[in-house]
Amino acid sequence: AQSVTQLDSQVPVFEEAPVELRCNYSSSVSVYLFWYVQYPNQGLQLLLKYLSGSTLVESINGFEAEFNKSQTSFHLRKPSVHISDTAEYFCAVTGVVGGYQKVTFGTGTKLQVIP
Amino acid sequence: DVKVTQSSRYLVKRTGEKVFLECVQDMDHENMFWYRQDPGLGLRLIYFSYDVKMKEKGDIPEGYSVSREKKERFSLILESASTNQTSMYLCASRDTTGVVGYTFGSGTRLTVV
Repeated sequence: AQSVTQLDSQVPVFEEAPVELRCNYSSSVSVYLFWYVQYPNQGLQLLLKYLSGSTLVESINGFEAEFNKSQTSFHLRKPSVHISDTAEYFCAVTGVVGGYQKVTFGTGTKLQVIP
Repeated sequence: DVKVTQSSRYLVKRTGEKVFLECVQDMDHENMFWYRQDPGLGLRLIYFSYDVKMKEKGDIPEGYSVSREKKERFSLILESASTNQTSMYLCASRDTTGVVGYTFGSGTRLTVV
């Protein structure tokens, strides 16, 4: 079975402070890992992804995530958040299950940036 | 800019009505998906399609059906809407490799009264 756990449903943080959004996954096969962001009243947008190679991946707006195979984690971090980062963030894992690619999403973490 | 377009942002329907949610993508993607999003439950897969006229059940297909007559269009059908189908519905598409992730539409917020 394949699963994704985002333990924090909400994370409040002051503007310019660092933040970490946690994601742990479980899978019996090799996986691709993704973070998506959903701004209010919008669909999800791809933020960053890990496919292979360097375990640290970055987005264009300052977020980064590190794939840790031993801890089966893919936590999302930003050293200094802005008001505009207020959104819901979803971690997702893609693995080949039953001959096709199965995508499993976490339940999401709402990041609230406080001025 | 690549796009997934959902025909309605907001819909209000009565219990028992037949509801059609339309989704069109312009990226020539083979794979298309319908999810519903509910607070605390994240995204749950309803149906998906790997090619024209093909469909597969996701995790919560009960009460729904789909149609994919053309590659670019994937429709979700609620045969007889019920109040527990009030939700945000998200359409997504993806190429066959899966390495670029999903492209999502903006969502349709459906309220069944």
